[in-house]
Amino acid sequence: GAGVSQSPSNKVTEKGKDVELRCDPISGHTALYWYRQSLGQGLEFLIYFQGNSAPDKSGLPSDRFSAERTGGSVSTLTIQRTQQEDSAVYLCASRDSLGTDTQYFGPGTRLTVL
Amino acid sequence: GQSLEQPSEVTAVEGAIVQINCTYQTSGFYGLSWYQQHDGGAPTFLSYNGLDGLEETGRFSSFLSRSDSYGYLLLQELQMKDSASYFCAVRVSYNFNKFYFGSGTKLNVKP
Repeated sequence: GAGVSQSPSNKVTEKGKDVELRCDPISGHTALYWYRQSLGQGLEFLIYFQGNSAPDKSGLPSDRFSAERTGGSVSTLTIQRTQQEDSAVYLCASRDSLGTDTQYFGPGTRLTVL
Repeated sequence: GQSLEQPSEVTAVEGAIVQINCTYQTSGFYGLSWYQQHDGGAPTFLSYNGLDGLEETGRFSSFLSRSDSYGYLLLQELQMKDSASYFCAVRVSYNFNKFYFGSGTKLNVKP
């Protein structure tokens, strides 16, 4: 079946602009995660959704970052007033609700802030 | 704070065996997972340990010692396609809220 998809694959923006990143999880997966990966680094947890609710937003780096999920499916990560330090690959992952730790990752969105 | 320590880089030859270690200090522990990521690709799940001991999946095995806050990934019969970065990840909450990842180990497999 279809895996996790993300769009756009690449985004170049100017400092100060807002960007929206989209994630389409695997159908039926109720858990959804956003991570940020800077060049050569590990994955930094940003936010977790269970259904449409985000019980844990503690990883969002600042109030410029927000995320929502609608219909228990598609999620959008919004970064307002982008800064150069926001440049990274943003990865989305979804997980089956059957109590497994396995996360299925999308290909990521590479964000470059000029 | 939370920390997961992995070696930054490991080099091995084709056909050999390599072990990638992960030591962790986290506020909670509910399991250790391993992921593989090829350059430019998405991380893919390799294995999970919730209890102490060894889990085997084909050429890959993973080990956990909760008392030592330590685990490792063992790759046998290395192939060129195993050249990738390998990340350990700890689930720190009971209800799957949050996972912490190590910085990754880049494995270089040489002919």
